[in-house]
Amino acid sequence: DAGVIQSPRHEVTEMGQEVTLRCKPISGHDYLFWYRQTMMRGLELLIYFNNNVPIDDSGMPEDRFSAKMPNASFSTLKIQPSEPRDSAVYFCATGGSGGNQPQHFGDGTRLSIL
Amino acid sequence: AQSVTQPDIHITVSEGASLELRCNYSYGATPYLFWYVQSPGQGLQLLLKYFSGDTLVQGIKGFEAEFKRSQSSFNLRKPSVHWSDAAEYFCAVGAQGNEKLTFGTGTRLTIIP
Repeated sequence: DAGVIQSPRHEVTEMGQEVTLRCKPISGHDYLFWYRQTMMRGLELLIYFNNNVPIDDSGMPEDRFSAKMPNASFSTLKIQPSEPRDSAVYFCATGGSGGNQPQHFGDGTRLSIL
Repeated sequence: AQSVTQPDIHITVSEGASLELRCNYSYGATPYLFWYVQSPGQGLQLLLKYFSGDTLVQGIKGFEAEFKRSQSSFNLRKPSVHWSDAAEYFCAVGAQGNEKLTFGTGTRLTIIP
């Protein structure tokens, strides 16, 4: 039973570059969440989708961040242009429907912006 | 709005000793409560959850947690820790009908021989 799959696992790039993080949810899960984890701010919810539709993007820090879910099997989080303060671990998590089902996390993408 | 407080940033326990990690929540109605564990370089793994019913909840890896409404607490316990339990532990609270979770700041657990 495959879990949430994120790619890449590590990304190092220079500031100003576009960064795209990818997530493949668990099959059948209706909810998809993007989180950012840093030492200073802990785990922050950026945006979440239900049935491919964005429900709450109030956690997206700036217009440089965007997320899409073109179908039930794939989501992307894009940062353009990237800045050093975007360095963090980004997690994708998914959950089933039916009332507050637990969220299942991927192993994250460790992003370093130089 | 709901909130979660994990008052202990770092706890050190001897292998074989008992463990209790504290979690206090703030929410006006009956909350949905979760404990997750994060090992280095990995995502969060669900240990246990409380939705309703029996206030003592059993989870994986020998962990349990007790929901105490009067104290707004959901503390995690384990009778005897193993070196492999060294990790970061997160408590989270959710509201009925809202899939968003609010996470605590985490407690880092160190196990000494």
